[in-house]
Amino acid sequence: AQSVTQPDIHITVSEGASLELRCNYSYGATPYLFWYVQSPGQGLQLLLKYFSGDTLVQGIKGFEAEFKRSQSSFNLRKPSVHWSDAAEYFCAVGAGSGGGADGLTFGKGTHLIIQP
Amino acid sequence: DTGVSQDPRHKITKRGQNVTFRCDPISEHNRLYWYRQTLGQGPEFLTYFQNEAQLEKSRLLSDRFSAERPKGSFSTLEIQRTEQGDSAMYLCASSSPTGGVETQYFGPGTRLLVL
Repeated sequence: AQSVTQPDIHITVSEGASLELRCNYSYGATPYLFWYVQSPGQGLQLLLKYFSGDTLVQGIKGFEAEFKRSQSSFNLRKPSVHWSDAAEYFCAVGAGSGGGADGLTFGKGTHLIIQP
Repeated sequence: DTGVSQDPRHKITKRGQNVTFRCDPISEHNRLYWYRQTLGQGPEFLTYFQNEAQLEKSRLLSDRFSAERPKGSFSTLEIQRTEQGDSAMYLCASSSPTGGVETQYFGPGTRLLVL
């Protein structure tokens, strides 16, 4: 069975500073990987997804993520954060064709706090 | 495209009561998923449908939980004899796999509080 670990429960970053959120996965085959963001009162919004191809994936809102098979990691990055980026971020892994057949397995999330 | 909608957004019930939640997926999306999210945790997969067929239900939390999607459009999730431990956010997502990486689009959720 697949699993996802997000080691950081909370991260505080100053506005304008760079950001990296860590994600490690466990899965026996090539994984489908996702990053979602959840703001208070909002549904989960997909930031980016990966299965194959270029290991550096560009997403919405200026986010990118890098897949590193040797480290079983899929870390999310942003070069300069904005106050509106404050939210809960979830890494997820999918299995089966397209990544959805058994549902997604999510990490526990990282709560991002932006300091002015 | 109006997105995935869920109704109600909030539900307060007393222990032992039955509750039913509704999810309306994005039009033409043939897959529909249910997840549960408790405080401080990521969403936990419960079940999913391909059109009206429920293809995975072994992850439903107990036999008090059941889901339907009778005409392959909207879906309902019912919890019978609710317990305080059922208090959580229940999320619905839909997708339309067309090859490549499937994207699940999530609704705003129904927050359940069992007193």
